[in-house]
Amino acid sequence: GQQLNQSPQSMFIQEGEDVSMNCTSSSIFNTWLWYKQDPGEGPVLLIALYKAGELTSNGRLTAQFGITRKDSFLNISASIPSDVGIYFCAGLSGAGSYQLTFGKGTKLSVIP
Amino acid sequence: GAGVSQTPSNKVTEKGKYVELRCDPISGHTALYWYRQSLGQGPEFLIYFQGTGAADDSGLPNDRFFAVRPEGSVSTLKIQRTERGDSAVYLCATKGGGANVLTFGAGSRLTVL
Repeated sequence: GQQLNQSPQSMFIQEGEDVSMNCTSSSIFNTWLWYKQDPGEGPVLLIALYKAGELTSNGRLTAQFGITRKDSFLNISASIPSDVGIYFCAGLSGAGSYQLTFGKGTKLSVIP
Repeated sequence: GAGVSQTPSNKVTEKGKYVELRCDPISGHTALYWYRQSLGQGPEFLIYFQGTGAADDSGLPNDRFFAVRPEGSVSTLKIQRTERGDSAVYLCATKGGGANVLTFGAGSRLTVL
């Protein structure tokens, strides 16, 4: 089946630093999504990307849909303590597709 | 309701027992999904409902797992003869109202001893 390789698995950063994480796939996706999951909660959508090359921002978050449609990255600028959590990339493979494929997540820790 | 509601939030059971996990979707959302999230992993697709029918159950791991949505709203995931490997968080997500994104519930954490 399809797999998403997400890196890094975890990161420890100082408050105020910028963060970058990415996802790659062996196959093409038509939609890339980035979610954040806090302990004891379900994933919450941060950013959705629908077109190859698309660059989208949501506050301090910026994500891009790779030109090859096989990768995406998420950047967080000027990190704050509440950015702590697990970030997941997810992809949808085709028109009308409904089955999300998730990466394994990047666990972010922010040191005040 | 305002969000996707899942009950119970935590369930501890013994190997071999039967469990039911319930999902109350956002009002009016016709599409409903079940995902399973093991420790340290991303969610994995189990089953998808469009209305009352299971449009795709290809993610169910074996025939001990079954899900229903008899009236097109609330869904129940049923696991028979539970095994320790079934321990995970079971997430429900719904979609509707023209939006093309899923809204997840907080999940039901199942622990099989």
